[in-house]
Amino acid sequence: AAGVIQSPRHLIKEKRETATLKCYPIPRHDTVYWYQQGPGQDPQFLISFYEKMQSDKGSIPDRFSAQQFSDYHSELNMSSLELGDSALYFCASSRTSGMYNEQFFGPGTRLTVL
Amino acid sequence: DAKTTQPNSMESNEEEPVHLPCNHSTISGTDYIHWYRQLPSQGPEYVIHGLTSNVNNRMASLAIAEDRKSSTLILHRATLRDAAVYYCILRDESTNFGNEKLTFGTGTRLTIIP
Repeated sequence: AAGVIQSPRHLIKEKRETATLKCYPIPRHDTVYWYQQGPGQDPQFLISFYEKMQSDKGSIPDRFSAQQFSDYHSELNMSSLELGDSALYFCASSRTSGMYNEQFFGPGTRLTVL
Repeated sequence: DAKTTQPNSMESNEEEPVHLPCNHSTISGTDYIHWYRQLPSQGPEYVIHGLTSNVNNRMASLAIAEDRKSSTLILHRATLRDAAVYYCILRDESTNFGNEKLTFGTGTRLTIIP
C-alpha cells in the first residue's frame, strides 16, 4: 500500500540558510500535518492543511511557512535556519471520511543545521 | 487539550502480555483516547482508539475505565518488534476537519526482553 513520502530524507544546512521539505500524502488523503521532533523529544505539531487551506497552527516559528498544493502535496519552507532547528520533521496525512481520521506518518526528514 | 500521564518506561518479557497504563483524569465528553507508537528511527504509527467501550484490533486491545479517567493498552503477546515509545493521546473529535492534530506528551518507552 502507498505510504506518505517525504523528501529529502536527510538535509544538512548552514546557519542562516533556507530549507524546503516536501511531503506527498497518501492518494485521496486531503489533510496534511507537519510535526517537529527535536533530539530526545516528543513530536510537536507545527501546522496542518485541509483541502489546500491552512486549518490549524501550532508552535511554528515565523521563519517557517508551509502550503499545500493543488495535487495535495505540501512543502515546509524554513528560512534563517538556526542550530535549534535541527530535528526530525514528520509529515502525516489523513482522509476526512466522517469516520475516524487516522493519521499516517511519513519516515521523516532529518534536518541538521551546522 | 486534556493532559495524559504515562509511566516513562516499562519492561516486559517477549511473548508475554503487556499492559500500558494511561491516566487522563480531565478528559472531556468529546475526547477520544488514541494510542500511537513510535518504533526506533520511524514516524509514529496508529495503534488503536476508543471512546467508552473496550476495543480490539489486530494490534492490541484498549480497556477504558468506566469513568473514562484512565485506560490501558494491552499487547497480548509482545514481540521484539513491539519495542517502541507508546503515546496515549486525547483528541477532541468535535473539531472541524483538518483541526485534528495529535498532541504528543511524554509516552512510555517499552523495552522487550528476549
